[in-house]
Amino acid sequence: GENVEQHPSTLSVQEGDSAVIKCTYSDSASNYFPWYKQELGKRPQLIIDIRSNVGEKKDQRIAVTLNKTAKHFSLHITETQPEDSAVYFCAAIVDSNYQLIWGAGTKLIIKP
Amino acid sequence: DAMVIQNPRYQVTQFGKPVTLSCSQTLNHNVMYWYQQKSSQAPKLLFHYYDKDFNNEADTPDNFQSRRPNTSFCFLDIRSPGLGDAAMYLCATKKSLSSYEQYFGPGTRLTVT
Repeated sequence: GENVEQHPSTLSVQEGDSAVIKCTYSDSASNYFPWYKQELGKRPQLIIDIRSNVGEKKDQRIAVTLNKTAKHFSLHITETQPEDSAVYFCAAIVDSNYQLIWGAGTKLIIKP
Repeated sequence: DAMVIQNPRYQVTQFGKPVTLSCSQTLNHNVMYWYQQKSSQAPKLLFHYYDKDFNNEADTPDNFQSRRPNTSFCFLDIRSPGLGDAAMYLCATKKSLSSYEQYFGPGTRLTVT
């Protein structure tokens, strides 16, 4: 079955700098790759997603890139702000069962 | 606004005392999920329903059961909670089996004393 690995587990960046979180997946049939942001005690919130027929997607300060050949995708956050501090999860969906397979999560810390 | 609602938001139960968590949705979505999330971990899928078809994940303990009496409501029953069952329980929905985006409820934080 599908397996998603996520790195790093913790990322600390200076406010205003960029942050990059990377994920790899194992099943080449995966077609959809969402990123969730989860603040302490709150629900996971979808912040951006990308489908397998697209290489890059951007929404203001966040962007996601997908390399299907290498089976990895990345979240990029530019000009980080204190409110970006949270745990970020990547995930993948295979069309055979449409279940979300989650990465282990990255705790992003923005230092003032 | 259409949404996914979970009640209660916080639940305290005693070791071994049955507890029921509830989820309702106004989105009229066919698929509903129950996830368990422990601190600093990704959500772990317990069950899902496609309409009334029930699907149990292979590693979901027998202590956990679920009911979906109609499209709008879904319940998670923990028959004999142990200390290891303390977690956040998240309900999620999606429009159809082949849809991608899941909509999460706010979660119920379960404490077992």
